[in-house]
Amino acid sequence: EAGVAQSPRYKIIEKRQSVAFWCNPISGHATLYWYQQILGQGPKLLIQFQNNGVVDDSQLPKDRFSAERLKGVDSTLKIQPAKLEDSAVYLCASSEGQNQETQYFGPGTRLLVL
Amino acid sequence: SQQGEEDPQALSIQEGENATMNCSYKTSINNLQWYRQNSGRGLVHLILIRSNEREKHSGRLRVTLDTSKKSSSLLITASRAADTASYFCATDGGSLVFGAGTILRVKS
Repeated sequence: EAGVAQSPRYKIIEKRQSVAFWCNPISGHATLYWYQQILGQGPKLLIQFQNNGVVDDSQLPKDRFSAERLKGVDSTLKIQPAKLEDSAVYLCASSEGQNQETQYFGPGTRLLVL
Repeated sequence: SQQGEEDPQALSIQEGENATMNCSYKTSINNLQWYRQNSGRGLVHLILIRSNEREKHSGRLRVTLDTSKKSSSLLITASRAADTASYFCATDGGSLVFGAGTILRVKS
């Protein structure tokens, strides 16, 4: 069974530029999550999708971050414009259902904002 | 803010020894999960313990949960060099909230 795929693996941009990350979850998984992991910290949930609907985006900085999962399968997370403090690893995860479920993580995208 | 707090922040042991990591949290939970993260990689689910369970085993892993103290522990027995990683507890009260993790180094 293929795991969660993410691309790119690494990205370096300058502040105020835009960047987009892509995630393809495990086939059949209805729930998709985007996390931000700053160096030395645990992952922080940014947004959770159930199929193509948003379940929780309370910690998403909506002035600069956006995410979509149009067909209920793969998803993109965008930052526009990027700030220095956005430097982090962006992790995508998926699970079969919504509640009390094991989450399967992708390898992450490491973003450096200069 | 992160709900789970792991203790210790870092742990260094010899191969073959046991490693114990603790997690404390603040609010009511549905379940508590432990994940492992190797350097530069994504997280891997290790074990899930529900709020009505007190202890759970999986191979060399033993997890306990004390909801009255709002704490959990992860014990890795007979550690191996391959166990070197960061370990995170995550509390599920509707969505997963991760702690800052414990960095485990197993020396061979």
